[in-house]
Amino acid sequence: GEQVEQRPPHLSVREGDSAVITCTYTDPNSYYFFWYKQEPGASLQLLMKVFSSTEINEGQGFTVLLNKKDKRLSLNLTAAHPGDSAAYFCAVSGFGGSGNKLIFGTGTLLSVKP
Amino acid sequence: DAGVTQTPRHEVAEKGQTIILKCEPVSGHNDLFWYRQTKIQGLELLSYFRSKSLMEDGGAFKDRFKAEMLNSSFSTLKIQPTEPKDSAVYLCASSPDGANTEVFFGKGTRLTVV
Repeated sequence: GEQVEQRPPHLSVREGDSAVITCTYTDPNSYYFFWYKQEPGASLQLLMKVFSSTEINEGQGFTVLLNKKDKRLSLNLTAAHPGDSAAYFCAVSGFGGSGNKLIFGTGTLLSVKP
Repeated sequence: DAGVTQTPRHEVAEKGQTIILKCEPVSGHNDLFWYRQTKIQGLELLSYFRSKSLMEDGGAFKDRFKAEMLNSSFSTLKIQPTEPKDSAVYLCASSPDGANTEVFFGKGTRLTVV
């Protein structure tokens, strides 16, 4: 089945620095790709979903890059601030039937220091 | 509008006990997921229901874990018998139409087995 590797497991940056988290996956049939944020004691919150072959998506303060050829997904927080401190998870899913489920990476604990 | 509701939020069990975790998905959602979250393994899929039918039961968790969905608005996860290695956060999630639509997560049940 699908395997999703996420790096790094821990990341500490200064306020204003960029922070990059990367995931690689194995199943070439994976179709949808997600980034979630989890603050302490809270639910997972969807940051962004992407599904094109090579795509750059920009959200509020972050950029998501998907490269299906390399089977790589990345999240770049362009100017991190302390409120970004949280656990971040990538996830992938297939299309239809039992593929309609999220397979998660192991997570990155991000700490942004003032 | 209520999100995914999980009860209890915390559970302490003695080794060998049977525990039942509960989940109410978002009203009208067709898909329900149970995940286990630990620091070492990350988020692992335990069960996936689509329109109350079990689509996947997470292979490695079959022997002591049983998820049921008797109606579209309620699901349970039974662990019998519990072992200390089951200590984790158990997350329930629902979506309108699989992982290709937005998946909403509950806040989880933190289980400690002593």
